[in-house]
Amino acid sequence: GENVEQHPSTLSVQEGDSAVIKCTYSDSASNYFPWYKQELGKRPQLIIDIRSNVGEKKDQRIAVTLNKTAKHFSLHITETQPEDSAVYFCAARRPNTGNQFYFGTGTSLTVIP
Amino acid sequence: DGGITQSPKYLFRKEGQNVTLSCEQNLNHDAMYWYRQDPGQGLRLIYYSQIVNDFQKGDIAEGYSVSREKKESFPLTVTSAQKNPTAFYLCASSRGQNNEQYFGPGTRLTVT
Repeated sequence: GENVEQHPSTLSVQEGDSAVIKCTYSDSASNYFPWYKQELGKRPQLIIDIRSNVGEKKDQRIAVTLNKTAKHFSLHITETQPEDSAVYFCAARRPNTGNQFYFGTGTSLTVIP
Repeated sequence: DGGITQSPKYLFRKEGQNVTLSCEQNLNHDAMYWYRQDPGQGLRLIYYSQIVNDFQKGDIAEGYSVSREKKESFPLTVTSAQKNPTAFYLCASSRGQNNEQYFGPGTRLTVT
């Protein structure tokens, strides 16, 4: 069954503002959480990931935070640009399954110029 | 875009016909995966293969079949038993069991 919930499903922000997308997971043994960006009609591409031994990771305008106690993790995009418009998916690795993941349902982000 | 390819990009079939989707990778990855993507839903795992000549069912394997005769190739057959085959199909690969997955560009299958 579904293990990851993702909110919101759609998000519109003005260019230059920040965007935050949140995911919760149910299996406390999950230890790896990637985020993917998927532009219309294209493949999902990994943009940032975090492992369970850290609480935050940054890469330029993108950051991910992880709260293991609450079992949620969030994607933060600062100074948004129109090219950030895409669907973003979170995922949580399923424990003891090799490299299988639960995926969130996606957030469609629109950055308004 | 290189590394992992899928063909064709668009595929149209009549109901009742089997169809095979191609997935090839030149990344020397051991593991390969097939996902189905429907509007408003997360990626759902159809089949996966951790090594040549071995594969396992994912969450929604009914109506699908795969083979893994070569490390580079993991074709997916959508059979006539799949009740709702129209979807966007994504193939992925990873170097091992603890590495990120790389996705192919996808095949959009329409069955009428």
